[in-house]
Amino acid sequence: AQTVTQSQPEMSVQEAETVTLSCTYDTSESDYYLFWYKQPPSRQMILVIRQEAYKQQNATENRFSVNFQKAAKSFSLKISDSQLGDAAMYFCAYRYDKLIFGTGTRLQVFP
Amino acid sequence: DTGVSQNPRHKITKRGQNVTFRCDPISEHNRLYWYRQTLGQGPEFLTYFQNEAQLEKSRLLSDRFSAERPKGSFSTLEIQRTEQGDSAMYLCASSLAGQGARGYTFGSGTRLTVV
Repeated sequence: AQTVTQSQPEMSVQEAETVTLSCTYDTSESDYYLFWYKQPPSRQMILVIRQEAYKQQNATENRFSVNFQKAAKSFSLKISDSQLGDAAMYFCAYRYDKLIFGTGTRLQVFP
Repeated sequence: DTGVSQNPRHKITKRGQNVTFRCDPISEHNRLYWYRQTLGQGPEFLTYFQNEAQLEKSRLLSDRFSAERPKGSFSTLEIQRTEQGDSAMYLCASSLAGQGARGYTFGSGTRLTVV
């Protein structure tokens, strides 16, 4: 069975600094998708960044980038120049046929 | 397009009552998913539809839960004889089959409180 593990229940970062959120997953598939979703206190899930497993190049979206290590089944999210609005729950998710989520990392951003 | 819409936003019910939630997906999306999220946890998959066909149901979906998508558009999730353990946020999402890279679009959820 596919599983997603986020080992950091909480992380904190100072405004303008960089933070990395960790995620590992387990699958026997070779072609799949990985995502990071953000869930602010309003509770609507927002897609932050996506990565196709067949692409070796790490995805980047403005201040958000990933470090995708397929052999290690690792998919970390780096947030650069952190802003107060980045404070939220962040969920790593794997998709082969359906999305499977990790337990989340709560990110606090301090001014 | 107004995104994925869920109603009601909040529902408080007494234990043993039946409740029904509605989800209106993005109109061109043929896949619709239901997830349950308890406080401090990630969303857990319940079931999904492609058009009107229910293609998969999680073991989490006990026989008190039923979901329908009668015309391949909106969907309803009904919980019969609610229990306190059913208290959670119920999330709906939609996507287009064959466009897995785009992920899902989520609604704002329905928060159920069973008292």
